Amino acid sequence: AQKITQTQPGMFVQEKEAVTLDCTYDTSDQSYGLFWYKQPSSGEMIFLIYQGSYDEQNATEGRYSLNFQKARKSANLVISASQLGDSAMYFCAMREGVNSGGSNYKLTFGKGTLLTVNP
Amino acid sequence: KAGVTQTPRYLIKTRGQQVTLSCSPISGHRSVSWYQQTPGQGLQFLFEYFSETQRNKGNFPGRFSGRQFSNSRSEMNVSTLELGDSALYLCASSLFRGPNEKLFFGSGTQLSVL
Repeated sequence: AQKITQTQPGMFVQEKEAVTLDCTYDTSDQSYGLFWYKQPSSGEMIFLIYQGSYDEQNATEGRYSLNFQKARKSANLVISASQLGDSAMYFCAMREGVNSGGSNYKLTFGKGTLLTVNP
Repeated sequence: KAGVTQTPRYLIKTRGQQVTLSCSPISGHRSVSWYQQTPGQGLQFLFEYFSETQRNKGNFPGRFSGRQFSNSRSEMNVSTLELGDSALYLCASSLFRGPNEKLFFGSGTQLSVL
């Protein structure tokens, strides 16, 4: 089974509107972390936001917020007031075994969602 | 503060050759991880180093190896290159290996094997 599922290969949004990118995950660990990264055509992976499994509040970083629904195992990224520069590939990733001594200190990525912001 | 620096940015090699990629983590960061990104397989974990020791290894053949120096800089080596090794190789660093550590990536090295 896929550990990280991003069901939207591509998304379109109008400039200044909000958009939600979906991410569901699968883990039996109680302690884990969820990440979102942006990858423009230049290739660099840009860190956007992080949510720990024990965090009670949804993470926010500027225009980015993470809609974390633990029981449903979903961690959707919400981008408010989209800008043309937001056009990029977006990846959801998970790190499991966070408290297990670090033996599994690695990220598992989803396939990504290509976001296009239209003027 | 400088970000994660990877060199070279682009590399062209032929089958059978070997290649070395370099990664300088963010100053003070001690964990360095490597990932391979291809259109077919997506992003896959290669290995992770902390305090000059390999702590985790992904499911890659022994042709892929790496090391970390005392200043936390890391190199990865691929020997006997195959066409399928063509990929974007990304390096990521984090301060430590704690449960809430954030990983920051470099711009990657685009390797083309001809």
